[in-house]
Order: sequence, then structure tokens, then C-alpha cells
Amino acid sequence: SQQGEEDPQALSIQEGENATMNCSYKTSINNLQWYRQNSGRGLVHLILIRSNEREKHSGRLRVTLDTSKKSSSLLITASRAADTASYFCATDAGIQGAQKLVFGQGTRLTINP
Amino acid sequence: DTAVSQTPKYLVTQMGNDKSIKCEQNLGHDTMYWYKQDSKKFLKIMFSYNNKELIINETVPNRFSPKSPDKAHLNLHINSLELGDSAVYFCASSQPGTGGVEQFFGPGTRLTVL
Repeated sequence: SQQGEEDPQALSIQEGENATMNCSYKTSINNLQWYRQNSGRGLVHLILIRSNEREKHSGRLRVTLDTSKKSSSLLITASRAADTASYFCATDAGIQGAQKLVFGQGTRLTINP
Repeated sequence: DTAVSQTPKYLVTQMGNDKSIKCEQNLGHDTMYWYKQDSKKFLKIMFSYNNKELIINETVPNRFSPKSPDKAHLNLHINSLELGDSAVYFCASSQPGTGGVEQFFGPGTRLTVL
């Protein structure tokens, strides 16, 4: 069964505003990752947060992880038109020799100029 | 200077045909993956190879057969194509590491079965 569920499914905001996306999962994880997918393109890795971390920053991105609630959030501050994309969370179940990432359904983010 | 490349980008074919998708990575990674993304954007892992050895084999029909001639290449062959096989197929690679590592994705191959 699908591990990650994202909320909202779609989000439309004005340029300059902050965007927050949430991800919930069901089982214990080794780490959780966020990816961006522009229309018609492959996924691009944004940030990885390990199960023993609570918060991580990368540029305008802030990710939190609450393992007690099995949830994570991605905050994009001061959004830009170029941030328009789908954002996916992926949980890592951890198999020796390979990662088995299980993806959520994604949040489609639209930044209006 | 593409890190993970896939060919072809688009593939349109008739039901019942056999087709292959090729993937190559020049990152020196040991692990490669195949994912399927359906029309609702749901992305699901199909296979993973680590240094040419099959590591992950999800519940995928045996019409799908991955082949890894060397650790830089992972091809996907599909026999007797069905309408439900229409999707975007992504190849990815990573280098194993403790605590988790990022995966690098190819641009995808859009397969349409008529």
C-alpha cells in the first residue's frame, strides 16, 4: 500500500507568499525525502531528512519531520514563479544495498505572478 | 553532460508488441532503478539493481524484464504490451550510503499503448 499521502493535492498562491505542503506516512522510516517534478520532466531531489532529525533547511526550503505523528512538512518561503511544479515526499524503508523509496501522490503547486 | 539518460523519450506502439527502454547513468553509481508513473502522477518502484544484481522486484507482471549489462546501464524490456502499460517510466540511480541518499532521475519515457 502507498506509504506517503500528501496534503493538499493542489495549492495555488501568489508569488512572494510561502507555500506549505504536508506528508503523512504509515510505517517506521529510515529517512524521508522531498522531490520536485516540473511538468514533463524527471524528479529532482530537494532535501533529505533522517529519522533522528527534526528540521532541516536548504536555501528557501525548510523541512520538518515528526516521527511520533509520522508526518513531514515542506515549506517554501518567498515563492517564485519557477517554483511551480509538483512536489513529492518519499519514504525510505531501508533495504541493504538499495533504497526502496515509496512516493506520495504529490502536491501540485502553482505560483501566480 | 546528462547524468541519467533514457531512450526513447516517447514510445507509441500497438497492443501485443514487445518494446525496450534503455537507461544509462554516468555518475558512477552502483544502484539503478525503474519507476512507473501513472496518469494520476502516482510513482511506484518496479525494480532495482545493485552492481548488476537484482535487489528489488516489486509485484510487476513477468512481461516486464529488466536487464543490466553493466552497472551503468539498466534496460527495461516489456513483452506483449497492454493498454494498462501506458505510463511514464523513469530510470534513476543512486550510490548506496548509510542513512539514506538521494536518487537521480532520468527525464522519463512516455509509453503509449494503442
